[in-house]
Amino acid sequence: GENVEQHPSTLSVQEGDSAVIKCTYSDSASNYFPWYKQELGKRPQLIIDIRSNVGEKKDQRIAVTLNKTAKHFSLHITETQPEDSAVYFCAASPPNDYKLSFGAGTTVTVRA
Amino acid sequence: SAVISQKPSRDICQRGTSLTIQCQVDSQVTMMFWYRQQPGQSLTLIATANQGSEATYESGFVIDKFPISRPNLTFSTLTVSNMSPEDSSIYLCSVGTPRDRVPYEQYFGPGTRLTVT
Repeated sequence: GENVEQHPSTLSVQEGDSAVIKCTYSDSASNYFPWYKQELGKRPQLIIDIRSNVGEKKDQRIAVTLNKTAKHFSLHITETQPEDSAVYFCAASPPNDYKLSFGAGTTVTVRA
Repeated sequence: SAVISQKPSRDICQRGTSLTIQCQVDSQVTMMFWYRQQPGQSLTLIATANQGSEATYESGFVIDKFPISRPNLTFSTLTVSNMSPEDSSIYLCSVGTPRDRVPYEQYFGPGTRLTVT
């Protein structure tokens, strides 16, 4: 099955700086890559996703890039704010399937 | 996106007992899933709840331990049977958006925090 690795496990950034989280996946056929944000005690929230027919997608301060050849994808958060502090999970899903395989998560702390 | 609710939101149970968790969606959805999130860990898929047929379980999860029902397109239950302290986790349902595209975007319910003593 699909195996997703996520790095780093923790990330501390100064408010206003950028944060980057990277994930690699094992199944070259995977074609859907969502990112979830989970604040303490709350449910995971889908914040952005990308499908394999595009290389980059942006939504305000967050963007995701995908490199199919290298089998990795990244989440970029620019101009970080304290409310960006949370655990972020990447996931991958192969074609003709609906299962999500999640990375281990990255705890992001934005220092004021 | 759909509004998803779960009951109970939390519970403390004695070992050896069973707990049934409900997941309700305010609109019909094709796919419903059950995940487990152990403290400080990632999300692990337990099973896919299929409407009109038996659930599809992932490796390491069995029907006798986690029976699932899906009587219609808006409701599912997960039972955690014969509980032990190792079953202490957050249990989350998620739903797949009713679109033609595969794979589906998944949205999560608020979760049920289970503590087994």
